Amino acid sequence: DGGITQSPKYLFRKEGQNVTLSCEQNLNHDAMYWYRQDPGQGLRLIYYSQIVNDFQKGDIAEGYSVSREKKESFPLTVTSAQKNPTAFYLCASSIDATSGYNEQFFGPGTRLTVL
Amino acid sequence: DQQVKQNSPSLSVQEGRISILNCDYTNSMFDYFLWYKKYPAEGPTFLISISSIKDKNEDGRFTVFLNKSAKHLSLHIVPSQPGDSAVYFCAASGSGGGADGLTFGKGTHLIIQP
Repeated sequence: DGGITQSPKYLFRKEGQNVTLSCEQNLNHDAMYWYRQDPGQGLRLIYYSQIVNDFQKGDIAEGYSVSREKKESFPLTVTSAQKNPTAFYLCASSIDATSGYNEQFFGPGTRLTVL
Repeated sequence: DQQVKQNSPSLSVQEGRISILNCDYTNSMFDYFLWYKKYPAEGPTFLISISSIKDKNEDGRFTVFLNKSAKHLSLHIVPSQPGDSAVYFCAASGSGGGADGLTFGKGTHLIIQP
């Protein structure tokens, strides 16, 4: 049963703490992405990775960091430098980042709340 | 500046009728467009896509139309069903396939009335 998993579903963090959101896929997809969604807003791209050991900043990368040490995993760290971290975070993947037109498949999301 | 715009925050349609969701874009470099359906507290689900070399793509009850000169696309759902009630996002990419991520609109909340 292939898919994208994100954990945890709900996460609470105290102000000033770093927190890492997990994203795993067993679809054998090359590319992975992180987006955030705020109420009444569309999804905005934080970081993306087209291949293992490589990643690029998206539109709103400040205050976030990522790693891509394995093809199936793309964790996102929300650092204390992120000024408004409370949001719904979505991870996505696509088959091949460099050839053809490939839709992105999304995980179920993690809702992060900063207390 | 918003490069993908969905100007209708919500749309109410009677069950069995056609639902038409609209999307406008400003970036002429976009060449791949997608529609996603999203329920609250869940990830978006891919519905249908279209590349800029086409003006129509159909999949079952869902059809997407692209008017490049007007920088406009629309999603038609016919007939509309109660399970279609959700938020629909229009998304676009200019990298020949979405390799460097998608740009999303703010979404349209579709409500199907019995």
